[in-house]
Amino acid sequence: GQQVMQIPQYQHVQEGEDFTTYCNSSTTLSNIQWYKQRPGGHPVFLIQLVKSGEVKKQKRLTFQFGEAKKNSSLHITATQTTDVGTYFCAGGGYSTLTFGKGTMLLVSP
Amino acid sequence: SQTIHQWPATLVQPVGSPLSLECTVEGTSNPNLYWYRQAAGRGLQLLFYSVGIGQISSEVPQNLSASRPQDRQFILSSKKLLLSDSGFYLCAWSVLGGDQPQHFGDGTRLSIL
Repeated sequence: GQQVMQIPQYQHVQEGEDFTTYCNSSTTLSNIQWYKQRPGGHPVFLIQLVKSGEVKKQKRLTFQFGEAKKNSSLHITATQTTDVGTYFCAGGGYSTLTFGKGTMLLVSP
Repeated sequence: SQTIHQWPATLVQPVGSPLSLECTVEGTSNPNLYWYRQAAGRGLQLLFYSVGIGQISSEVPQNLSASRPQDRQFILSSKKLLLSDSGFYLCAWSVLGGDQPQHFGDGTRLSIL
């Protein structure tokens, strides 16, 4: 079946540093989605990318979808303590989404 | 706007006891509904999904079951809980289509003693 791998599993940065998480699928995806889960909370949908090579920005967050629609990245510029949480990618498939295992981001002030 | 309600927020149950978690969605019709389990510090494990009333697909065989008695109601059940059933249970909905964005409830933290 479809597998979505996400790296790194964990990253600890100083406030102001940049952060990137990567997502790779074993199969071509119909779309890629990104979610954020704050500590103790539930995953919250951030964005969906559909087109090959698509790039979208949300303030300090930049999302990319690869040309082959098999990989994606989320880049946060100048992290803030409010960015703390686990970021999940999810690949769109035929019947359900396949979630990556997530990247836990810790930001020290 | 659409909202999803999930209860209870926390639950402590003895091994061997039954379980019933309920999830309801408001503000939309004929949604896809999902049950996930998340172990502490881990990813999301899809347990069940439903594309319509009475239609349940199981992703992982275990002692849990799901039912969808109404269009916007999704129930997760067990006859006898195991220690390994502990975790964070999340209900989610999406518009029809397996690759659509999902919107999660606040979750239920289940501890089995």
